[in-house]
Amino acid sequence: QQPVQSPQAVILREGEDAVINCSSSKALYSVHWYRQKHGEAPVFLMILLKGGEQKGHDKISASFNEKKQQSSLYLTASQLSYSGTYFCGTLSGSARQLTFGSGTQLTVLP
Amino acid sequence: KAGVTQTPRYLIKTRGQQVTLSCSPISGHRSVSWYQQTPGQGLQFLFEYFSETQRNKGNFPGRFSGRQFSNSRSEMNVSTLELGDSALYLCASSEGAEGQPQHFGDGTRLSIL
Repeated sequence: QQPVQSPQAVILREGEDAVINCSSSKALYSVHWYRQKHGEAPVFLMILLKGGEQKGHDKISASFNEKKQQSSLYLTASQLSYSGTYFCGTLSGSARQLTFGSGTQLTVLP
Repeated sequence: KAGVTQTPRYLIKTRGQQVTLSCSPISGHRSVSWYQQTPGQGLQFLFEYFSETQRNKGNFPGRFSGRQFSNSRSEMNVSTLELGDSALYLCASSEGAEGQPQHFGDGTRLSIL
């Protein structure tokens, strides 16, 4: 079953923060985050493993709440280059392949 | 290292025809996965190959098939094309263990007339 992402779209100004959520009804083993810019391939951002710590690089970080089967992606002090569609992909015990959410379109305006 | 290479980048076909798409993974990567991306359905998993064997399969009809060669290159074939098959087909490679980061190619844009 496809994880649910929220919000579907968000528009913010350069320098503002954003949070993207990814929820699943299944017990998750890991959550992957990708960003896809228009006309380009999805690019891997980070993986969060069950029992693992919060990950992050630059001003993008993520957490994984095992109790809620939910992951959140945090974008701090957004830059224009952060614009794109963010996808979460989940791996559960029964599904051995990534199942992607429908994506969150993020637009950062100057 | 060179990235994942998919050919061709664009294809136009008519209903009833068949098509073969190609994917060359990152050197050293043994797993290749295929996805269909459409505006309405998002990223849908087709199948994954590892060491020339199909390891996982999504919920697509038998018209969609694939294979992987000994050099890890993979092909995907779609027979009896339908209008609904119009989509961006993405290939992703990873080192091999399940759950590892996937590195995507730029995709093949397939249009069915």
